[in-house]
Amino acid sequence: KAGVTQTPRYLIKTRGQQVTLSCSPISGHRSVSWYQQTPGQGLQFLFEYFSETQRNKGNFPGRFSGRQFSNSRSEMNVSTLELGDSALYLCASSLVRGPYEQYFGPGTRLTVT
Amino acid sequence: QKEVEQNSGPLSVPEGAIASLNCTYSDRGSQSFFWYRQYSGKSPELIMFIYSNGDKEDGRFTAQLNKASQYVSLLIRDSQPSDSATYLCAVNKNTPLVFGKGTRLSVIA
Repeated sequence: KAGVTQTPRYLIKTRGQQVTLSCSPISGHRSVSWYQQTPGQGLQFLFEYFSETQRNKGNFPGRFSGRQFSNSRSEMNVSTLELGDSALYLCASSLVRGPYEQYFGPGTRLTVT
Repeated sequence: QKEVEQNSGPLSVPEGAIASLNCTYSDRGSQSFFWYRQYSGKSPELIMFIYSNGDKEDGRFTAQLNKASQYVSLLIRDSQPSDSATYLCAVNKNTPLVFGKGTRLSVIA
């Protein structure tokens, strides 16, 4: 069974630009969550999508947004990039919502210059 | 008070020893508890989960949960150099998961 896939794996952008990251969950998984990981803050929750609806949102500015498609694939978008947005962005999928195991993709390493 | 706390380490153990990693959490209503292993430059990998008080064993790994004391631990028996990584504790009441900042484990050959 294929795992969670994320594209692109690496990205370099300049301040003010916008970026879109993509995540394909494990086949059959319907819940997708996004996290930002930085050395100082650790893993921080961005948002969760289930059945094409955002179910939870973390404490991030409105520049961070996302969506989920009918095939459970998800995208997240960051507009007006700032230097502090440089991080590893991780997508995790789980079978359904709730306190169930989440499996992470390889991540997208975003560098903002 | 931080929601999920872990000692950042590094925790150094000799090869073949038992490594003991600990995690405390603040939300008494937490229901699910997870341990992830993250190698440098890689994404977290789920290695154990536990939902009920007591011990759960899987190979060389044992997760221990004590809800009354609000702690969860991970024991790694017969530690190997390949176990050297950062171990993340995650706690879930509903969604989303709340992660600790991880404990760095170093197994010395």
